[in-house]
Amino acid sequence: EVQLLESGGGLVQPGGSLRLSCAASGFTFSDYAMTWVRQAPGKGLEWVSTISGTSISTYYADSVEGRFTISRDNSKNTLYLQMNSLRAEDTAVYYCAKDSPLDYGMDVWGQGTTVTVSS
Amino acid sequence: QTVVTQEPSLTVSPGGTVTLTCASSTGAVTSGYYPNWFQQKPGQAPRALIYSTSNKHSWTPARFSGSLLGGKAALTLSGVQPEDEAEYYCLLYYGGARVFGGGTKLTVL
Repeated sequence: EVQLLESGGGLVQPGGSLRLSCAASGFTFSDYAMTWVRQAPGKGLEWVSTISGTSISTYYADSVEGRFTISRDNSKNTLYLQMNSLRAEDTAVYYCAKDSPLDYGMDVWGQGTTVTVSS
Repeated sequence: QTVVTQEPSLTVSPGGTVTLTCASSTGAVTSGYYPNWFQQKPGQAPRALIYSTSNKHSWTPARFSGSLLGGKAALTLSGVQPEDEAEYYCLLYYGGARVFGGGTKLTVL
């Protein structure tokens, strides 16, 4: 069974940093691109970032470009999101998702981890 | 900034049919945008329903179907069930970046 388990969320002050992790199991992790998606309280889904299976290619939403860094460790089956210079508007549930091998969507999602940016 | 637009809300009767649409600010949506559809119920993670315009995942109920309609991506639910009440999001691919629509809240009443 494919499983994704996010961790690392919490309360952080504006301007601070946080690193999220997503532990993957049940599939050959290195074969798939992985994506982070976030959802602010009461709002819709927002695509954040995607990384290819080999880490050669990374993509970011304009709202996080230059502040967030996506990475992965295929030896540990783990996806990361390093978040720096955090702002109140980064407050959200952050989901990691496995990209579909068939197109540019995501077929399996984790349950999410909550990030709150507040003083 | 690219904007993807969905109906904010729709209401359908049990057993009825409803179509949700997904439009791009850049112009007509084509298969090259690889439209995806997701369902999200309160307190739950999103669940994938449709990929590449019209393809169903193995877990997608047969009553869900995807298409292109009048320059938009569309999700049609036929024979709606009470458990289909949820928020539905489309996702479009823009050559690396991806953009979600704002979501459609579907009420079954």
